[in-house]
Amino acid sequence: GAVVSQHPSWVICKSGTSVKIECRSLDFQATTMFWYRQFPKQSLMLMATSNEGSKATYEQGVEKDKFLINHASLTLSTLTVTSAHPEDSSFYICSATPPGGAYGYTFGSGTRLTVV
Amino acid sequence: AQSVTQPDIHITVSEGASLELRCNYSYGATPYLFWYVQSPGQGLQLLLKYFSGDTLVQGIKGFEAEFKRSQSSFNLRKPSVHWSDAAEYFCAVGASNTGNQFYFGTGTSLTVIP
Repeated sequence: GAVVSQHPSWVICKSGTSVKIECRSLDFQATTMFWYRQFPKQSLMLMATSNEGSKATYEQGVEKDKFLINHASLTLSTLTVTSAHPEDSSFYICSATPPGGAYGYTFGSGTRLTVV
Repeated sequence: AQSVTQPDIHITVSEGASLELRCNYSYGATPYLFWYVQSPGQGLQLLLKYFSGDTLVQGIKGFEAEFKRSQSSFNLRKPSVHWSDAAEYFCAVGASNTGNQFYFGTGTSLTVIP
């Protein structure tokens, strides 16, 4: 079945540094991937849509200069949190849809980011 | 505007008891409806989905859900809950016309007591 791998699973970084999170579709090509953010005890909120070979589409209120998204290949999208601050601490999850159908998006296992 | 409502923030059931998690949606077009489960610190696992056809859909782990257009609902059910079912459950509606984006409900946390 379709598998989306996300790395790292958790990361701790110092305030002011940047962190890169990878999202890979392991057995299918994904022209579009999605990045979500989840605060504790809350639901997932879509941050941006990552498009292979073009600029990402950001949801209202999401700072594109802070959350850099690169979708350089059909199997990899990266989210870079730049100049991270403690309020960026959250659970970040990516998803992708295998080609050919809306079978339900496949989600990665998530990345727990803690900024200290 | 699209929205998903899960009225119950937290539910506690006894092991072996039946379960129903409620989900209501607001959507202008034909909805694609999904239920996901999330264990602590984990990603989301698809339980089941509805696109069209039979309004009662079967999923994994013994779950089922029924789409009721007249009530704009897609409630999740399980006849007999197991302790391992304790988790967070999210209902989501997908945009069938664009193929993009999910709108998630706020989730229902399920506790199972022995």
